[in-house]
Amino acid sequence: DSGVTQTPKHLITATGQRVTLRCSPRSGDLSVYWYQQSLDQGLQFLIHYYNGEERAKGNILERFSAQQFPDLHSELNLSSLELGDSALYFCASGEDVSYNEQFFGPGTRLTVL
Amino acid sequence: QQQVKQSPQSLIVQKGGISIINCAYENTAFDYFPWYQQFPGKGPALLIAIRPDVSEKKEGRFTISFNKSAKQFSLHIMDSQPGDSATYFCAASGQGGSEKLVFGKGTKLTVNP
Repeated sequence: DSGVTQTPKHLITATGQRVTLRCSPRSGDLSVYWYQQSLDQGLQFLIHYYNGEERAKGNILERFSAQQFPDLHSELNLSSLELGDSALYFCASGEDVSYNEQFFGPGTRLTVL
Repeated sequence: QQQVKQSPQSLIVQKGGISIINCAYENTAFDYFPWYQQFPGKGPALLIAIRPDVSEKKEGRFTISFNKSAKQFSLHIMDSQPGDSATYFCAASGQGGSEKLVFGKGTKLTVNP
């Protein structure tokens, strides 16, 4: 157990809908990273938050957004969902931006029908 | 160029054998190279990591070899066991205010009893 929690574990929804994925980092970790894992693209970095502030964006669609709250938990919002958004979404947490170790949560499997 | 190339895509090894997975990178700014192990339905788990100031790091049966001039690094699993059967990902990250990980495509390892 990495100490990172993610909810829900599974999410099934329809095209055009909006969902929110939640992540609680390990105790004391200030950084939260979101990754998408799909069969064709592998593990892709989406976005990084550090202590409430956005630090970096990767291959994140404009339909997707995230935020990190004062208690350090983070939410990833996916809107106008398309079939191709079906994937595993992982968050990872780390102590600090200068300390590279990242610990992954169990993921949320999103299925868009 | 933010790319990490991993090979082979799949690997079958007999119990007790040595499993070797290779990765190559292009961006010389990368300064942290972790390996992750992922079992089906689980999040990636940090296995072992290395920085460019050393050429080898060993933890139990797992060893990372690093060749800075060739921009290559590899994972060696000694005395491979059926319980090691999983997908292994190499990754890299660098400086710049965000330690986002760039992942290889993964290697599915099967260790036969």
